[in-house]
Amino acid sequence: KQEVTQIPAALSVPEGENLVLNCSFTDSAIYNLQWFRQDPGKGLTSLLLIQSSQREQTSGRLNASLDKSSGRSTLYIAASQPGDSATYLCAADSGYALNFGKGTSLLVTP
Amino acid sequence: GAGVSQSPRYKVAKRGQDVALRCDPISGHVSLFWYQQALGQGPEFLTYFQNEAQLDKSGLPSDRFFAERPEGSVSTLKIQRTQQEDSAVYLCASSLSGGRPPGELFFGEGSRLTVL
Repeated sequence: KQEVTQIPAALSVPEGENLVLNCSFTDSAIYNLQWFRQDPGKGLTSLLLIQSSQREQTSGRLNASLDKSSGRSTLYIAASQPGDSATYLCAADSGYALNFGKGTSLLVTP
Repeated sequence: GAGVSQSPRYKVAKRGQDVALRCDPISGHVSLFWYQQALGQGPEFLTYFQNEAQLDKSGLPSDRFFAERPEGSVSTLKIQRTQQEDSAVYLCASSLSGGRPPGELFFGEGSRLTVL
């Protein structure tokens, strides 16, 4: 069974800092790797989807990389803002079902 | 509506009661998923529909859980004889494409079930 781990579990940074969230997965046979954002009491919002053949994807201040052979993905957030405060989840797609990590809870302080 | 809609948003049930949770996916979306998210955890897969066909129900935790999508649109997740360990947020997601992989998923805001 695919196991997805996210480090750190929680992170607090001052506004303006660049930061990196880490995700690792045990089975490299994935179709894609997805990053989601979840605000308290809300559903998941898709941020970036990296196909297995790709190395990275970028959207605005967000950049996600994928190293399938080593089972790792990182989400880089540039120039963090208080509005970035949320839980960030990565998920490995091995077929029908996404396998999620437990998430990284991010707090960006003004 | 433009997004995935779930109802009720909050449900409190007494242990042993039956509950039904509804999901309205984005119109025209072929794939529909149910996930269970316990407090402080990531979502766990429950079941998958491609149109009206339930192609994977391997994540349903017990035979008390049942899901249907009879006309390939709205889906209902039913939990019989609820137990306290069923307390969680139940998330529904849909995607435009069928098959493997289903591509970008759009999630609803979830139904929070509390079993007393």
